[in-house]
Amino acid sequence: DQQVKQNSPSLSVQEGRISILNCDYTNSMFDYFLWYKKYPAEGPTFLISISSIKDKNEDGRFTVFLNKSAKHLSLHIVPSQPGDSAVYFCAASAGSSGSRLTFGEGTQLTVNP
Amino acid sequence: DSGVTQTPKHLITATGQRVTLRCSPRSGDLSVYWYQQSLDQGLQFLIQYYNGEERAKGNILERFSAQQFPDLHSELNLSSLELGDSALYFCASSVAPGPEGYTFGSGTRLTVV
Repeated sequence: DQQVKQNSPSLSVQEGRISILNCDYTNSMFDYFLWYKKYPAEGPTFLISISSIKDKNEDGRFTVFLNKSAKHLSLHIVPSQPGDSAVYFCAASAGSSGSRLTFGEGTQLTVNP
Repeated sequence: DSGVTQTPKHLITATGQRVTLRCSPRSGDLSVYWYQQSLDQGLQFLIQYYNGEERAKGNILERFSAQQFPDLHSELNLSSLELGDSALYFCASSVAPGPEGYTFGSGTRLTVV
């Protein structure tokens, strides 16, 4: 039962363009969503989050959009830089389950110079 | 360096054996979480401890157990190992039991042969 899905295993974009990573979820109890970035041989690092009471959160080049009716969120990176090349994980938590995170499978982003 | 220390970084062992993975949380963090990442999959929540007490349990196999010691470091014990237990095991810590502020270690790569 995959409650958080990232349907694109990989994404390739040109430097300077927009990267859009997508994530879908099925559990309507999820009320907090996060994006993590992971480089090889390192643990995931927190990137940006959004509460279910919002539909957008922005932090510099990174913006997360939440569409609750569609159970869909997306991460926009503008402009994309070669250093953004990494695996991006979408994660979700439900207030009732405390701090347990449910992760998607990840999307490998490659930003080409 | 995230401040969360996991040892060993790599472990190769035979089927049927038992191993112990160790995690030292970031200074001041009371919560420790264990996650398993199998090949091409997202991170799967195993178990959480908060200040020495088990707080939440995921789909952790009965062959696996964990504990958090008074100095707040945690150990994950995996016994009767099977080939399918080969994975990356991540530890994360946070100050309080909540999804915000997770800091992950760099993981232990377990290979069962």
